[in-house]
Amino acid sequence: GIQVEQSPPDLILQEGANSTLRCNFSDSVNNLQWFHQNPWGQLINLFYIPSGTKQNGRLSATTVATERYSLLYISSSQTTDSGVYFCAGYSGGSNYKLTFGKGTLLTVNP
Amino acid sequence: NAGVTQTPKFQVLKTGQSMTLQCAQDMNHEYMSWYRQDPGMGLRLIHYSVGAGITDQGEVPNGYNVSRSTTEDFPLRLLSAAPSQTSVYFCASGRGTGAYNEQFFGPGTRLTVL
Repeated sequence: GIQVEQSPPDLILQEGANSTLRCNFSDSVNNLQWFHQNPWGQLINLFYIPSGTKQNGRLSATTVATERYSLLYISSSQTTDSGVYFCAGYSGGSNYKLTFGKGTLLTVNP
Repeated sequence: NAGVTQTPKFQVLKTGQSMTLQCAQDMNHEYMSWYRQDPGMGLRLIHYSVGAGITDQGEVPNGYNVSRSTTEDFPLRLLSAAPSQTSVYFCASGRGTGAYNEQFFGPGTRLTVL
């Protein structure tokens, strides 16, 4: 079936630490995206990354589509990085929807 | 460029009342969709549209209606609100006629039905 699995489910860091979040996805999911849901509930686009590597400041992402996984790297974390990180992929068929993982809850302590 | 906007931000309804959640985008995107986010259930697709005049059902369409008279606007109507519709509602848009391109989300509407 259509699956998007994220790990770890929870992560607590001290400010300044680095972290890696993982997203595994099944064969029927493509065109990965990463989102950050901030403590106010907004879903912020981080990366649209069907394959390859992208960087944006302290954040970078890599998707290896042939091995069905994507990684989100956060370097020198800040308290404002706290929130839930979701990966989501397009699952085709009749519903044309994004399938979301359950998310990683990141807490960055000062 | 405002992106995707939603109104209202918060709403409280009584059971049986009706209301419309507004969604607009200024990016000339063909594809628009509505999701609801519930604890433990993640984000679930309610309805989507691949262009003006074209809408279709998602995973959880019961109790909701949509229409798409313009490219910019995609309102979601609750016909007779029920407590089970208490949720956070997100509107999204993207290029093309499916969710295969980058999707952009609005800020959400937090709805409580008493």
